[in-house]
Amino acid sequence: DVKVTQSSRYLVKRTGEKVFLECVQDMDHENMFWYRQDPGLGLRLIYFSYDVKMKEKGDIPEGYSVSREKKERFSLILESASTNQTSMYLCASNFWGRANEQYFGPGTRLTVT
Amino acid sequence: AQTVTQSQPEMSVQEAETVTLSCTYDTSENNYYLFWYKQPPSRQMILVIRQEAYKQQNATENRFSVNFQKAAKSFSLKISDSQLGDTAMYFCAFMIRYGGSQGNLIFGKGTKLSVKP
Repeated sequence: DVKVTQSSRYLVKRTGEKVFLECVQDMDHENMFWYRQDPGLGLRLIYFSYDVKMKEKGDIPEGYSVSREKKERFSLILESASTNQTSMYLCASNFWGRANEQYFGPGTRLTVT
Repeated sequence: AQTVTQSQPEMSVQEAETVTLSCTYDTSENNYYLFWYKQPPSRQMILVIRQEAYKQQNATENRFSVNFQKAAKSFSLKISDSQLGDTAMYFCAFMIRYGGSQGNLIFGKGTKLSVKP
């Protein structure tokens, strides 16, 4: 079975802190994605990566950055967390053809106080 | 801009009955994919069903089927013989196909389905 894991299920951080969200997949997928899920807004793409060290902005990249140093790991970084970044963050991965099924992690619920 | 609209924020159905979740989308493109994803409470999102726009035949996966109306830009999901385990948030999503590449998944806002015993 494909497995996508995220480092934390719940995270509480203070405004201004630097926050790292980690995602690891075990299926040798080329593509990895970070989404943000908010009630009434659905899922919105923050960043994605189609290869090691490659990244592309999604629809809402402001306030976020990413890192992909190894194929299986994709990190989302909040350089200076703000309260409006309180949300559920979902990681996903799939093989190179992005119409292929995306496999999602369990999500990290981040609260910034 | 491409958009996906799910007009039913919440729905409920009795166990063993049939329910249809609606989804409409807007695009000027001709080649694209459509998806329904399911997110059970506190569990991971999984793919339910996928449809390629060039295929006229509606996709079916066991109790799940779609009604794809390309001209109307409609992509509804029918769940037959509803089970308690179908309780979840359901997201309709859309992706444009550009030659050998694809765009990003664009999600609707979701429909929360409750199956009642």
